[in-house]
Amino acid sequence: QQPVQSPQAVILREGEDAVINCSSSKALYSVHWYRQKHGEAPVFLMILLKGGEQKGHDKISASFNEKKQQSSLYLTASQLSYSGTYFCGTDAGNTGKLIFGQGTTLQVKP
Amino acid sequence: KAGVTQTPRYLIKTRGQQVTLSCSPISGHRSVSWYQQTPGQGLQFLFEYFSETQRNKGNFPGRFSGRQFSNSRSEMNVSTLELGDSALYLCASSAGLGDTEAFFGQGTRLTVV
Repeated sequence: QQPVQSPQAVILREGEDAVINCSSSKALYSVHWYRQKHGEAPVFLMILLKGGEQKGHDKISASFNEKKQQSSLYLTASQLSYSGTYFCGTDAGNTGKLIFGQGTTLQVKP
Repeated sequence: KAGVTQTPRYLIKTRGQQVTLSCSPISGHRSVSWYQQTPGQGLQFLFEYFSETQRNKGNFPGRFSGRQFSNSRSEMNVSTLELGDSALYLCASSAGLGDTEAFFGQGTRLTVV
């Protein structure tokens, strides 16, 4: 089953914060987050393994709630370069098979 | 370190033809996954190979097939092309399973006319 991402789209001003959620109906082993800019390949952001850990680098962080089968991506003090489509990919059992959500389009305006 | 290389970048084929796409993973990576990306369906998992063995398969018809060679390079084949097969085909390579990051290639844009 495909994970569900929300919101589908968000428009921000530079410096504002955003949260993107990813929910699965299945128990998860890992959640992967990617960002894809128009005409480019998806770029890896971070991976979270079951255990409820939180990760982050720079102003982008993520959490993984194993019990709720949810992950959230937090973008703080957004920059123009954050614009793009964000995908979460889920792996139910460390199989190497990633099922992606439908994507969240983020647009950051000056 | 060279990234994931996909060839060709663009392809135009006629309905009923077949096509072969190629993916060279990052050196040392033994897992290669293939995805179909369309505006309406997003990123759809096709299959995944590890050390020349198909470990996972998505919900695509048998017209879609793939293989992996001993040097980890992978090919994807689509036979009897249909208009609906027009899409961006992406491959991703990783060192292991679901606990390791995957790196995507630039993709092959296939247009079926």
